[in-house]
Amino acid sequence: EAGVAQSPRYKIIEKRQSVAFWCNPISGHATLYWYQQILGQGPKLLIQFQNNGVVDDSQLPKDRFSAERLKGVDSTLKIQPAKLEDSAVYLCASSLGRGANEQFFGPGTRLTVL
Amino acid sequence: AQSVTQPDIHITVSEGASLELRCNYSYGATPYLFWYVQSPGQGLQLLLKYFSGDTLVQGIKGFEAEFKRSQSSFNLRKPSVHWSDAAEYFCAGYMNTGFQKLVFGTGTRLLVSP
Repeated sequence: EAGVAQSPRYKIIEKRQSVAFWCNPISGHATLYWYQQILGQGPKLLIQFQNNGVVDDSQLPKDRFSAERLKGVDSTLKIQPAKLEDSAVYLCASSLGRGANEQFFGPGTRLTVL
Repeated sequence: AQSVTQPDIHITVSEGASLELRCNYSYGATPYLFWYVQSPGQGLQLLLKYFSGDTLVQGIKGFEAEFKRSQSSFNLRKPSVHWSDAAEYFCAGYMNTGFQKLVFGTGTRLLVSP
């Protein structure tokens, strides 16, 4: 069974530029999550999708971050414009459904904002 | 507010020695708890989980964890550490109504000395 795929693995940009990350969850997983992991901290949930609908985006900085999952499968997370404090690893995870399900994580995208 | 605390930022253990990583949670009811491991440049891999029932749970790679309600703890143990166990370990839990949001601790970095 293929795992959660993410691309790119690394990205370096300058502040005020825009960047996009892509995630393809495990086949059949209805729930998709985006996390931000700042160095030295645990992952923090940014947004959760159930199929193509947003379940929770309470911690997403909506003035600069956006995410979509148009067909209920893969997803894109965008930052525009980026700030220095956005430097982090962005992790995508998926699970069969909502609630207390095991989440399967992708390898992450390491973003450096200069 | 619900939270997960990992009091040890770094731990160094000699190869072959036993290991215990601490995790405490703050929640009024019984949470669903997980231990994940993250190797450099990799996503998070689930080691084990506790939902209910037997308070001693076995996981992959020889790890086990014990849920102690009286101490609000879910410590991870391994009787004999291998050099390949060097990684970052995260305790996490679902601790809200409907168990919708996974809350992570800040992680413990395990170093294994020869």
